[in-house]
Amino acid sequence: ELKVEQNPLFLSMQEGKNYTIYCNYSTTSDRLYWYRQDPGKSLESLFVLLSNGAVKQEGRLMASLDTKARLSTLHITAAVHDLSATYFCAVDFGNEKLTFGTGTRLTIIP
Amino acid sequence: DVKVTQSSRYLVKRTGEKVFLECVQDMDHENMFWYRQDPGLGLRLIYFSYDVKMKEKGDIPEGYSVSREKKERFSLILESASTNQTSMYLCASSFSVRGYNEQFFGPGTRLTVL
Repeated sequence: ELKVEQNPLFLSMQEGKNYTIYCNYSTTSDRLYWYRQDPGKSLESLFVLLSNGAVKQEGRLMASLDTKARLSTLHITAAVHDLSATYFCAVDFGNEKLTFGTGTRLTIIP
Repeated sequence: DVKVTQSSRYLVKRTGEKVFLECVQDMDHENMFWYRQDPGLGLRLIYFSYDVKMKEKGDIPEGYSVSREKKERFSLILESASTNQTSMYLCASSFSVRGYNEQFFGPGTRLTVL
């Protein structure tokens, strides 16, 4: 079965702290995508990871992919309120579709 | 910039009505997708299409049908709307390029069935 699991599902962080969201998947893939969704809005593409060891950074967010461990991480550095959103990872298992994780709802507390 | 548009942001319909949700993309993408999103359930794929007039069932196709007569347009049809189809519906599109399958999403349609 093709599965993508994210944890935690909910995360409350204080401003200025660091944290990591984890995305595990069930079978071989070297293509993974991260999306952001603001409340009531649609999904916005954040990162595209297309090989083992890929690392992408944008501002306070950094994503990486370890295909051997079937794991991607989204690291948040010195969180600010603007990063409050739901974050989804999605894996391409080679069937022209993406399989999405259930999302991590991130709340940054002042 | 990729643009995916959906015909309505909010829609209210009555049980038993036939409902059409339209999605249009302007980037010449081959693939188009319809998802529904419900609290606690993430995104669930209803149908997708990899070419004009082609369609494939996703994970939850029951109660839905689709139409793709032109490359840029993908329609989701609820033949007889029911209250359990109240949800947020998201359309997405992507190129059909081996090894690259980034999907671009429309703004969503929040459908309420009374």
